[in-house]
Formats: sequence, structure tokens, C-alpha cells
Amino acid sequence: DVVLTQSPLSLPVTLGQPASISCRSSQSLLFSDGNTYLNWFYQRPGQSPRRLIYKVSNRDSGVPARFSGSGSGTDFTLKITRVEAEDVGVYYCMQGTKWPLTFGQGTKLEIK
Amino acid sequence: EAQLVESGGGLVQPGGSLRLSCVASGFTLRTYAMNWVRQAPGKGLEWVSSISGSGSNTYYADSVKGRFTISRDNSKSTLYLQMNSLRAEDTAIYFCALSSCGSDCYSGFDFWGQGTLVAVSS
Repeated sequence: DVVLTQSPLSLPVTLGQPASISCRSSQSLLFSDGNTYLNWFYQRPGQSPRRLIYKVSNRDSGVPARFSGSGSGTDFTLKITRVEAEDVGVYYCMQGTKWPLTFGQGTKLEIK
Repeated sequence: EAQLVESGGGLVQPGGSLRLSCVASGFTLRTYAMNWVRQAPGKGLEWVSSISGSGSNTYYADSVKGRFTISRDNSKSTLYLQMNSLRAEDTAIYFCALSSCGSDCYSGFDFWGQGTLVAVSS
């Protein structure tokens, strides 16, 4: 199975400062069709997850431009340019390249 | 407004069964692959099962294979998860999630329901 390892698991950030979350895969996530199926999700307590980024770097509709995704192969990053109070929650990466589909452990972002 | 609404969760004894439903509105369901994801209390997300738009292809996590069955009735815009031989470790919120990238594209997870709680305990 593909293991996704996120770091850090806890991320205290000052409002207005940048934040970065790493997601490392135990195998390449490049699929035979040339796409890399690596998504990022965000979940507030008591709510359903919401997709932020799909296929590494594509921002979903309505997602603020301060969120960006990058990476290739086995190393991926979610960046927030300036953290706002509403960004508090847990962020997950997920791979859809290989069965079984797998999620990272989650990174809890909190305001310092 | 497009939405997914899960139901069927509840308290069940170990070894018991439950059937979860996920009703979709605002979607032409047969064009989309669908997924079940669960989240144990205070834990992260775990993929459970996926099904193609036609229902002909299904996939399961090893932890539920042989016990859970995913199915769909596109005429009723409904996704199901039949859960048998339930164990304490199956206790979780179960979410359905739609992948709008295509009927055989499973990686999207771009639209989620609110979840239904399954508690397995004696």
C-alpha cells in the first residue's frame, strides 16, 4: 500500500504568516496517463472534509488564492501564503493513483 | 442545491449488520464514481470502498473486504454500504464522497456528505 507521511503533524502559525505542509509518498504517484492524483483536503471540527487542491496543484473553485499545491513523484507540499483565522483545522493529503486509496495522517493547523 | 445525504447509522452490537445509504440530489449520479470514507472518533480519514458509475467495478479496503458491500441504484440516485460482521473497530463517522472526474475516475472526492455515525458496541 502507498503510505503518505505528512509533516508536521501539528502546525502552530501566527496570523498573517506563511504555513507549509509536506506530504511524502512511499511510491511515485505518477499514473500511466501522465497525471499525478494527489489531493489536499481541509476539515474543520465537526464538519465534512472539503477538497482544496486536486492533481497536485489545481485549486478547487472557491478556494482562496493563498492556498497552493506543488510537487511531483513522491514529494508534495501545501502552502498557505498568509494564514487567516478561518484556516484553523486539519489538512489531509490523499492519493488516488494506486489501490487502495490512502490518506495522510493529517496536520492540525492552529493559531499561535 | 447539489447535496449528498447519508443515513442508516446507529448503534449495533458486534457481529451485527447495518446498511448505510447516501442519497444524491442535484447530480446525474450514473456519471460519477462514488466512495465511502470513514473517520473513527478523534482519528484521521480512512478510505473504505469505491464503485464505478455503472456499478460494475468495486474496490475495498482490506480492513472491510468480505464484510462490507458497496452498491448503487442510479434510478434512485442512491449509494449503499452493506456492513456485516461489524466489529468495534468499525466505529466511525461514514462519509460518502463523489468523484466528478468521470464514471471510472475514483480520485476526485470533490463533494462530500455530512456523514452518519456508526457505533459498534455491546
